[in-house]
Amino acid sequence: GDSVTQMEGPVTLSEEAFLTINCTYTATGYPSLFWYVQYPGEGLQLLLKATKADDKGSNKGFEATYRKETTSFHLEKGSVQVSDSAVYFCALRVMDSNYQLIWGAGTKLIIKP
Amino acid sequence: EAQVTQNPRYLITVTGKKLTVTCSQNMNHEYMSWYRQDPGLGLRQIYYSMNVEVTDKGDVPEGYKVSRKEKRNFPLILESPSPNQTSLYFCASSVNNSPLHFGNGTRLTVT
Repeated sequence: GDSVTQMEGPVTLSEEAFLTINCTYTATGYPSLFWYVQYPGEGLQLLLKATKADDKGSNKGFEATYRKETTSFHLEKGSVQVSDSAVYFCALRVMDSNYQLIWGAGTKLIIKP
Repeated sequence: EAQVTQNPRYLITVTGKKLTVTCSQNMNHEYMSWYRQDPGLGLRQIYYSMNVEVTDKGDVPEGYKVSRKEKRNFPLILESPSPNQTSLYFCASSVNNSPLHFGNGTRLTVT
């Protein structure tokens, strides 16, 4: 069945460091891919998405490119800030569904000043 | 303001005492869903609803009930809570291909 695998956390970086959080997936067909972010004490919110191969999603300085050949959707940011500390979830939307998502386990990111 | 509202935010209860966690959305969304979040396991879907009076089991429905009598409300019911249901619960809603909107969560502790 469809699945999403994320790198385990926590990931601890210093402010202004380069960030990569790895996400790979297994799916039939061509799913849509998402990154959601969960700030402390809050629900998840959509960070970015990509709906087809080679699409790049971007928001708030974060980027991820839908790589069909490597079945990956790695999240990157060039210079992280303390305010980026959160839990990041990679997810895919099941084919032929407008709603059902398969979630990764989440990666906690800690940014130190 | 568009939002999904869950209540309560925190709940401590004892084994076997029935409880309800409420969820309400003001966006006229058709789809609503309940998840639980546990360390290392990510989000697991409990139940979802595609519309009024239409509900389906997710990945971990055992021990939970839901109802969808009105479009805006989707309460989660634990008839006889057990300690393994201690978790962080999220309600979410959506409509046709739009991103999920999440509530701020309910942290439940069952002793």
